[in-house]
Amino acid sequence: EDQVTQSPEALRLQEGESSSLNCSYTVSGLRGLFWYRQDPGKGPEFLFTLYSAGEEKEKERLKATLTKKESFLHITAPKPEDSATYLCAVRGNTGGFKTIFGAGTRLFVKA
Amino acid sequence: NAGVTQTPKFQVLKTGQSMTLQCAQDMNHNSMYWYRQDPGMGLRLIYYSASEGTTDKGEVPNGYNVSRLNKREFSLRLESAAPSQTSVYFCAIQAHEQFFGPGTRLTVL
Repeated sequence: EDQVTQSPEALRLQEGESSSLNCSYTVSGLRGLFWYRQDPGKGPEFLFTLYSAGEEKEKERLKATLTKKESFLHITAPKPEDSATYLCAVRGNTGGFKTIFGAGTRLFVKA
Repeated sequence: NAGVTQTPKFQVLKTGQSMTLQCAQDMNHNSMYWYRQDPGMGLRLIYYSASEGTTDKGEVPNGYNVSRLNKREFSLRLESAAPSQTSVYFCAIQAHEQFFGPGTRLTVL
């Protein structure tokens, strides 16, 4: 059964304090690992897709990396506007059209 | 280009009442999804539709029904609402990544 576990549940940072969010996954035949950002009261917004171990993608202060068991979302010199919940999700070969989501990491960045 | 729209945005029901949540997309994608999101549990798939005319159960289908009316519209119906269905409901469409609507916040008293 495909599974996604995210840690920590919540992370509090000072502005400029870099850190990483973890996404551990088990999936039968990875077809894609996805990162989303969700602001309070809104739907998730797509950030990145990673397909194979060793792949990296960047967008502004965010960089996503992938190994065979984990993905990390690195946040460099965060700003208060980076505060949000970050969701990790996977799609595997046996899930058909289904995507499995983790519970998310709530990030708080204080000025 | 509105993407994915959902109505209503908020709803309060009494136990046993019925209602339909509406979802429409203008992105011309085949796959549409209904999720519920509860604190600490992430997004859980209720039903999905891989294409017009087909629907399949997800992880938590009990107490819900769906209709894929046409390629644009996918509705979720609660026939007899229960307090356990208090949640935030999201509709999504899928290219490779998913695009989500703004959500419907439902409270069942």
